[in-house]
Amino acid sequence: AQSVTQLDSQVPVFEEAPVELRCNYSSSVSVYLFWYVQYPNQGLQLLLKYLSGSTLVKGINGFEAEFNKSQTSFHLRKPSVHISDTAEYFCAVNFLRGNEKLTFGTGTRLTIIP
Amino acid sequence: GAGVSQSPSNKVTEKGKDVELRCDPISGHTALYWYRQRLGQGLEFLIYFQGNSAPDKSGLPSDRFSAERTGESVSTLTIQRTQQEDSAVYLCASSFGERSTDTQYFGPGTRLTVL
Repeated sequence: AQSVTQLDSQVPVFEEAPVELRCNYSSSVSVYLFWYVQYPNQGLQLLLKYLSGSTLVKGINGFEAEFNKSQTSFHLRKPSVHISDTAEYFCAVNFLRGNEKLTFGTGTRLTIIP
Repeated sequence: GAGVSQSPSNKVTEKGKDVELRCDPISGHTALYWYRQRLGQGLEFLIYFQGNSAPDKSGLPSDRFSAERTGESVSTLTIQRTQQEDSAVYLCASSFGERSTDTQYFGPGTRLTVL
């Protein structure tokens, strides 16, 4: 079955340290990949997306993600985090089954420690 | 400009009652999605409206759930005879185009608690 896995439910990181949030999916066909962020008391907003082309995608707020087809991964990274990055991060995948549905992971709560 | 709005923000109801949740999409957005987020879980797709086409209802968990959308405006999600397992945050999103490659803009959600 096609699925999206975010293994880390919570990630604590010290301020100004680097962070990587992991996302893996199971599919043998082409996919579209997304990262959404939900700041406290706000709705989800798109951080970045991969549709085609360069496997390194840059998004808002200094985040980037790299699509690795062989490892079926789309990990999110930031070289130096800030307090304002405290939020929940969701990976989402469109498995291109002929519909427009996104399948979301269970989310990773990023907590920045001052 | 105004984003996606949802009402009410919180709803507490008794088991067996019907509830209606409302979503106002961004003006001009042709696609509208409903998702459910249970505690500790990811977003679960419920239903997708795409312009004037028939909605994709494949995610609705039971016949107690239904949704309507008038044209390209307001949508309502109705849950009949609510059960405790319906407790969740219900999220609405809209997008300008009808493809998943188009950015979805999410509302703040309605937190439903069924006692």
